[in-house]
Amino acid sequence: NAGVTQTPKFQVLKTGQSMTLQCAQDMNHNSMYWYRQDPGMGLRLIYYSASEGTTDKGEVPNGYNVSRLNKREFSLRLESAAPSQTSVYFCASSEAGEKLFFGSGTQLSVL
Amino acid sequence: GDSVTQMEGPVTLSEEAFLTINCTYTATGYPSLFWYVQYPGEGLQLLLKATKADDKGSNKGFEATYRKETTSFHLEKGSVQVSDSAVYFCALRNDYKLSFGAGTTVTVRA
Repeated sequence: NAGVTQTPKFQVLKTGQSMTLQCAQDMNHNSMYWYRQDPGMGLRLIYYSASEGTTDKGEVPNGYNVSRLNKREFSLRLESAAPSQTSVYFCASSEAGEKLFFGSGTQLSVL
Repeated sequence: GDSVTQMEGPVTLSEEAFLTINCTYTATGYPSLFWYVQYPGEGLQLLLKATKADDKGSNKGFEATYRKETTSFHLEKGSVQVSDSAVYFCALRNDYKLSFGAGTTVTVRA
């Protein structure tokens, strides 16, 4: 009963380093999302993919890229990490934007 | 653009107290409205939803009514328990995107 699986759970980077956050879902959902959660700001949408083969920018896309590798997988890449990208990142999936199923989150610190 | 505003926390209550968390929204068209809950160390889970005006969503003793005239979706529970301690997020959906409020931290003391 995996649902949405994110890796890694924790990561520390130095400014300028790059990394990719991985996300996979086993519910055959068409839509997938990446959010970041910061204190007092709730969840802000970084990118989303309404269906396989499409990606669109959300509220805060700058400094990030995404890849919808196939229907199951949606990765988030930081090309040159900055301290402002210190956050908790959540991947989610849904069927056509209805009930979202969230992963358990990735806590990222950029020093 | 779409936005959600919810009351700031933190909110601290005693067990069996009445809980209200206010939520108002700005959106074009006819969005669906949601309340999500996040327990410590976990991702968000859907608590309840309403898809059209005057709908009432309910789950686990929580209720919220979609009020189009006041653009509101306030969350209520008549008698809270310690296990209700969590962060609560109001959200709206337009097209494929969900927009979330900032979250309200609720702590229930025994």
